[in-house]
Amino acid sequence: GQQVMQIPQYQHVQEGEDFTTYCNSSTTLSNIQWYKQRPGGHPVFLIQLVKSGEVKKQKRLTFQFGEAKKNSSLHITATQTTDVGTYFCAPTASGGATNKLIFGTGTLLAVQP
Amino acid sequence: NAGVTQTPKFRVLKTGQSMTLLCAQDMNHEYMYWYRQDPGMGLRLIHYSVGEGTTAKGEVPDGYNVSRLKKQNFLLGLESAAPSQTSVYFCASSKTSGGAYNEQFFGPGTRLTVL
Repeated sequence: GQQVMQIPQYQHVQEGEDFTTYCNSSTTLSNIQWYKQRPGGHPVFLIQLVKSGEVKKQKRLTFQFGEAKKNSSLHITATQTTDVGTYFCAPTASGGATNKLIFGTGTLLAVQP
Repeated sequence: NAGVTQTPKFRVLKTGQSMTLLCAQDMNHEYMYWYRQDPGMGLRLIHYSVGEGTTAKGEVPDGYNVSRLKKQNFLLGLESAAPSQTSVYFCASSKTSGGAYNEQFFGPGTRLTVL
């Protein structure tokens, strides 16, 4: 079945450092969504990418969709303690009329003040 | 709007017991989903529903049943709980695709322990 690999699994940074997580698929993706889950919380939608090579920014967060639509990345500039949590990429499952998502394993970000 | 709510928040079961988890949404969403989240494994889809009265299997459906008798409610049942079903369960809902891809809204989760 469709699988999504996300790296790294864990990253610890000093506050102010940058952070990047990568999401890779062996198949071409229709779209990809990104979610953030704070410790003890539930996943919250961040962004959706649909077009090849698309780049979207939300303040310090930059999301990219690869040209071949097989990979995506999330980059955080100058991390803050409020960025702590697990970041998941989630492409729509193939045949996506049901809006089903395939969640990656996530990257846990720890930020030391 | 309350969004997506789940009851109960916590539950401890003994092996072989049964229980039902309730998910409710007040956003008039057509689609609803049940996931389980285990450490290091992300979220895995158990069952989902594309409308009232319809359900379908997801990635890990064994040992679970679901029902969607009302549009706003999606129930997840465990007929005979096993320790392997110890997990955090999340419900989510979304609008219909309608040619676009829509975000999913998640409930706060239910932490289930099976002894």
